[in-house]
Amino acid sequence: QSALTQPASVSGSPGQSITISCTGTSSDIGSYNLVSWYQQHPGKAPKLMIYEGSKRPSGVSNRFSGSNSGNTASLTISGLQAEDEAHYYCCSYAGSSTFWVFGGGTKLTVL
Amino acid sequence: QITLKESGPTLVKPTQTLTLTCTFSGFSLITSAVGVGWIRQPPGKALEWLALIYWDDDKRYSPSLKSRLTITKDTSRNQVVLTMTNMDPVDTGTYYCAHVAAGEPAFDIWGQGTMVTVSS
Repeated sequence: QSALTQPASVSGSPGQSITISCTGTSSDIGSYNLVSWYQQHPGKAPKLMIYEGSKRPSGVSNRFSGSNSGNTASLTISGLQAEDEAHYYCCSYAGSSTFWVFGGGTKLTVL
Repeated sequence: QITLKESGPTLVKPTQTLTLTCTFSGFSLITSAVGVGWIRQPPGKALEWLALIYWDDDKRYSPSLKSRLTITKDTSRNQVVLTMTNMDPVDTGTYYCAHVAAGEPAFDIWGQGTMVTVSS
C-alpha cells in the first residue's frame, strides 16, 4: 500500500481538463511544499512534470499545472491531448526519516 | 545533456545479493546539492523510492528496506552503486536510477531502467 493516495483512474475527452488528486498526511504533503508529479507511458521511464508543488521543468507544457491544499496535492491537465494518456504518480518529501514517498499512480485515459 | 543508465543482472536467486550500477554523464557528483536516487517498480505496480546519495556522501534509505540496502558513489567513474541483500521474488521489478538537481528536490532525469527477476 502506497503512502500517498491517488485515484486509480481518471478519464477525459480531448480538449477537456482533468484533475488528479494525491492525498497524504500532515507528515508529508501537509508539512512540505515538495510534491512532484511524474508521467509514465507504457514501457518507458517516468518523466518529471511538476516539482515543488507547482513548478514546471523546462520543456514541460504549460497545460500541466500543480497545486497544494492542506494534505492534498493536485495535478491539472488542461486541453487534454491523446499523448497525455499515461500513468501519473505523485511524490512527496516526508521528512528526514522517511524522505520520499510515492503515490499509487493514476491511469489517465483520453477518450 | 544529463544521461543515466542502469546495469546489473537480469536474474538473481532468492537470498542472493543484488548489485546494480548507475553510470551517468553530463553532471558530477562533486557538485553541491546534486544527488542520485534509486526507485523501483514491480510489474504493473507503483513506483517505490529506495535510496538516495548526495554529493557530500549523505545517504538516505527507505525505512522499510534500510536494513537491506547500501548506496555508494564512485565520483571518478561517475557511478552510483546500489546493493540489496536477501533478495525475494517480491523484489522483482524494474529498477531506475535518477538525477536530483541542486535546488530542485525531485527526480528530474531518469535512466531507462533495468528489469530484475528474482527466481530460483
